[in-house]
Amino acid sequence: DTEVTQTPKHLVMGMTNKKSLKCEQHMGHRAMYWYKQKAKKPPELMFVYSYEKLSINESVPSRFSPECPNSSLLNLHLHALQPEDSALYLCASSQGGGPDTQYFGPGTRLTVL
Amino acid sequence: GEDVEQSLFLSVREGDSSVINCTYTDSSSTYLYWYKQEPGAGLQLLTYIFSNMDMKQDQRLTVLLNKKDKHLSLRIADTQTGDSAIYFCAENLGNAGNMLTFGGGTRLMVKP
Repeated sequence: DTEVTQTPKHLVMGMTNKKSLKCEQHMGHRAMYWYKQKAKKPPELMFVYSYEKLSINESVPSRFSPECPNSSLLNLHLHALQPEDSALYLCASSQGGGPDTQYFGPGTRLTVL
Repeated sequence: GEDVEQSLFLSVREGDSSVINCTYTDSSSTYLYWYKQEPGAGLQLLTYIFSNMDMKQDQRLTVLLNKKDKHLSLRIADTQTGDSAIYFCAENLGNAGNMLTFGGGTRLMVKP
């Protein structure tokens, strides 16, 4: 089983809203990732969690707040977003502990009005 | 520096072979990957190759790696309309964070 699940599939929010994106995997992976993907562009890395600790933050604005409650779950809390934050948000996971293969979820399509 | 480049677009007829090319600049890559993305979907891992290999075959897919020229290719045999998608190559430098550097993606269109 190489499945990463993400909810919701679509999300529309206003600039004053607070919402959260969720990601889950049951492959026993210890590294999890958030990516942002704009149309016709490759994914851009936002955050990396390794063994439930934030190991990389790619200079992401503080209106995006990641959280890793346990080794299977990864959240992305959203607050006071801007219309330019509208994108496909992808979660990925990998075994962790060294160079290895990332498996991606289906993504959440976010629209900020 | 790190840079991965792909051609933007490829059009083939159903039943033909497709070859998608990728060039990269960093010779310290550990793994190289091919991902497929259909419209509105996430990235599906198609295949990967270790940097110490020259070729890998998996059913209709053949990956060729030329380390001297830093060139990676994906050949899809007997291309089907369901193969129409964007294909991303990516390199893993084996650094902290297991970070991937993606190419810009190649849109494959398969005509019936």
